[in-house]
Amino acid sequence: DGGITQSPKYLFRKEGQNVTLSCEQNLNHDAMYWYRQDPGQGLRLIYYSQIVNDFQKGDIAEGYSVSREKKESFPLTVTSAQKNPTAFYLCASASGGNTGELFFGEGSRLTVL
Amino acid sequence: KQEVTQIPAALSVPEGENLVLNCSFTDSAIYNLQWFRQDPGKGLTSLLLIQSSQREQTSGRLNASLDKSSGRSTLYIAASQPGDSATYLCAVRYVSNYQLIWGAGTKLIIKP
Repeated sequence: DGGITQSPKYLFRKEGQNVTLSCEQNLNHDAMYWYRQDPGQGLRLIYYSQIVNDFQKGDIAEGYSVSREKKESFPLTVTSAQKNPTAFYLCASASGGNTGELFFGEGSRLTVL
Repeated sequence: KQEVTQIPAALSVPEGENLVLNCSFTDSAIYNLQWFRQDPGKGLTSLLLIQSSQREQTSGRLNASLDKSSGRSTLYIAASQPGDSATYLCAVRYVSNYQLIWGAGTKLIIKP
C-alpha cells in the first residue's frame, strides 16, 4: 500500500536533547512538508522540499533542521534550540509538484520532559 | 493578507441530517482548495481537492463546491453519521506564494 509513514508515533525527550522524526513516502511524490500542530491552533509550516537535495524554511523553522538526500525520505530534527518543542508533528507529501493534492502521515507526538 | 476562515468553529447535529461546512478565502487567485478531516490524535485525511477551474467535486456522501468570485467553498455532507464526527479543515493554495494557507477547522459532532 502506498502512503506516508512517520516514526516514532510517540517520543519523549529530555530538555537539551536533539531528536529526529522520520518521514518516509512511497508515493513517488517530489514535494514533502513538515507541519507542527498545537492544541487549538492551526497547522504551521516548518520546512518544505520540492526536490531532492533542496529545501526551504517555512514559517517556524527556527530550532529545526531537515535533510532531503532521497526522494522518499524527509527527516526532521528538533534541536535543543527549539524553545517549546512539545507538539504534534505532521509530515506530508504532494502529488503533481508543489500545487498537487496533499497527503499526510499519521503524525508523531513529541513531549519534552 | 491572505487568510482562510472556517465558520462555525464547532457544530453539533443529530444523526441523519444534511449539513454544510463553510470555508472563506480572501484572494480569488488560487491554484486549488483542499478539504481534509482529522480524527483526534491522528493525521489528516484528504477528502476532496478542487482545482481552480472546477466548480465542484463529489466523493460518496461528500460534495465540495468552489466559488472563487465570492471567495467561498462549502463542504456538503449528506445523511450524516456518527462516524463523520471529526475536525474538518480546508486549505487554499494561493497563486502568489504556492504555499497552503490553512483554516482553523470546524469540529463536527454527530449525535446518535
